[in-house]
Formats: sequence, C-alpha cells, structure tokens
Amino acid sequence: GENVEQHPSTLSVQEGDSAVIKCTYSDSASNYFPWYKQELGKRPQLIIDIRSNVGEKKDQRIAVTLNKTAKHFSLHITETQPEDSAVYFCAASKGGNEKLTFGTGTRLTIIP
Amino acid sequence: GAVVSQHPSWVICKSGTSVKIECRSLDFQATTMFWYRQFPKKSLMLMATSNEGSKATYEQGVEKDKFLINHASLTLSTLTVTSAHPEDSSFYICSASGTAVGNEQFFGPGTRLTVL
Repeated sequence: GENVEQHPSTLSVQEGDSAVIKCTYSDSASNYFPWYKQELGKRPQLIIDIRSNVGEKKDQRIAVTLNKTAKHFSLHITETQPEDSAVYFCAASKGGNEKLTFGTGTRLTIIP
Repeated sequence: GAVVSQHPSWVICKSGTSVKIECRSLDFQATTMFWYRQFPKKSLMLMATSNEGSKATYEQGVEKDKFLINHASLTLSTLTVTSAHPEDSSFYICSASGTAVGNEQFFGPGTRLTVL
C-alpha cells in the first residue's frame, strides 16, 4: 500500500520568513495530494491540494509543488504569520473516493 | 465548503461499555465515509472506509468486531466501539466524500473518547 513520509517533524520559523515542508510517497498510482492544517483538538482543514497533471499550484501565501518522477511534493508558506502555527499534514490518494494516506505531520511554530 | 458533523464531541465511559459515534453530512450526499483514529501528537490513521449500503472495508489490524461501522444512508455513518477499554481512548474523526462535492473529503470535528 501507499506510504507517505513527511519532514521535518517540527519547524520553527521567524515571523515573516518562509516555511517549507516536504513529503514523499511510494505508490506511483497516487494522483491527488492535499495538505491539511490542524489546530489542537480541531478537525483537519484543507489548505491546498494538487493533482498529478500539475507541477505547481499557488494560493496567496501558500504554494505546493509536485515532482512525479521523484515522487515528492512540498508545501511552501511565505510571509509567515503567528496564525500559521499549527500541525500540517500531507496526504496522498488515487483520487476519486479513494482513501487518503497521511504523512506523520509537521508542527510549525511561528516565532513573533 | 460542505459541512460534516459528529456527535458526541466528547464522551467518557466505563471500561466494558459500548459507545456509538455518529457522523453526518449536513448539506450533501456522502457516498463514502471514512473513519480515522488519532492519538495525541500523532497522525490520522485510517480505520475503515464505508460506502452507503455496503459493508465497510477495514484497514489491516483494525478489528471489525470491535469497531462496528454502519453507513445506512447517504448522510449518516456510525462507528460503535464495543466493549471499550482504556487503550481505545483516542480522538476519532470521520470524513465524508461524494460526487456532489467533487470527491473531496470533508472532515467532522472529531469525537474525543475517554475510557476509564
């Protein structure tokens, strides 16, 4: 089955700087890669996603890049703000109603 | 976005009792619902996938007789933890998906189960 690895597990960034979180996946059949933000005790919130027919997607301060050949994808947050502090999870699936396999999570702390 | 609710939001029960958790899609028809378990500071681990009107598909290592899943309608799935024990204490989260929402998964707010 699919295996998703995520790095780093913790990341501290000065406010205003950029943060990058990286994930790799194992199943070449995966074609949908969402990123979720989860605050303590809350549900995961989809922040951005990318499909395998696209190499990069951007939404304001957030961007995701995908390298299908290398089977890795990354989340980039620019101009970080204190409210970006949370746990971020990457995930992979084969699309449609297929199940998501989650990465292990990254605890992002923005230092004011 | 679409709305998914869970009930209860938290529950405390004695060891040996059964607990039922409901997951509802409030404004769309969910052909597929997923049940996850999340331990503190850990990732979401998929327990099972349920499609409306059919038996759930359980992930390896998840006891189907202990975690009973029912998906009787397009808006409701239930997870029953039978004969709960302290090691079943966890955060249980459902998600719902359907063609009406482009097959994106929308998550419920989670249920925190504490077994004494």
